[in-house]
Amino acid sequence: AQSVTQPDIHITVSEGASLELRCNYSYGATPYLFWYVQSPGQGLQLLLKYFSGDTLVQGIKGFEAEFKRSQSSFNLRKPSVHWSDAAEYFCAVGAFHFGNEKLTFGTGTRLTIIP
Amino acid sequence: DTAVSQTPKYLVTQMGNDKSIKCEQNLGHDTMYWYKQDSKKFLKIMFSYNNKELIINETVPNRFSPKSPDKAHLNLHINSLELGDSAVYFCASSHTATDTQYFGPGTRLTVL
Repeated sequence: AQSVTQPDIHITVSEGASLELRCNYSYGATPYLFWYVQSPGQGLQLLLKYFSGDTLVQGIKGFEAEFKRSQSSFNLRKPSVHWSDAAEYFCAVGAFHFGNEKLTFGTGTRLTIIP
Repeated sequence: DTAVSQTPKYLVTQMGNDKSIKCEQNLGHDTMYWYKQDSKKFLKIMFSYNNKELIINETVPNRFSPKSPDKAHLNLHINSLELGDSAVYFCASSHTATDTQYFGPGTRLTVL
């Protein structure tokens, strides 16, 4: 069965600083990997996804993530965070279950931005 | 022009009651899902439907019964509510079973 680990429960960074959120996955086949963001009281919004091809994936809001098979990682990065980036970030791995994609989520990383 | 909508946004009820949460998507997607997010923000899939047919049922108590009257709707009915059912329930949809899932805003269920 697939699983996702987000080692950092809570990260605090200064506005304008760079950001890296860690994600490690476990899956027997080639994974489909996702990063979602959840703002307070809101639903989840897809930031980016990796299915195949280039291991460096660009997403919305200036985010990118790099798939590293050897490390089973899919870390999310942003060169300069904005106060509006404060939110909960979820990494997920997609697996196919009777033809349907089943997403397994990590426990999330809460990002706090300080001025 | 909301893509995936859920009603109600908040639901407060007593133990033992029966309640329903409605989900509608106007994206023309074939596949819909229900997820549960607990108090620790852990998200777990409950059900998925593809063209109104149940595909995934993740060991959810049979007090939870999803119903899909058509491809655009997937409602969640919960019987005999328990305290542990308190959570945020998210509906999602995707074009096909392998496409990106789009999430609704969530329904916060509180059982007293």
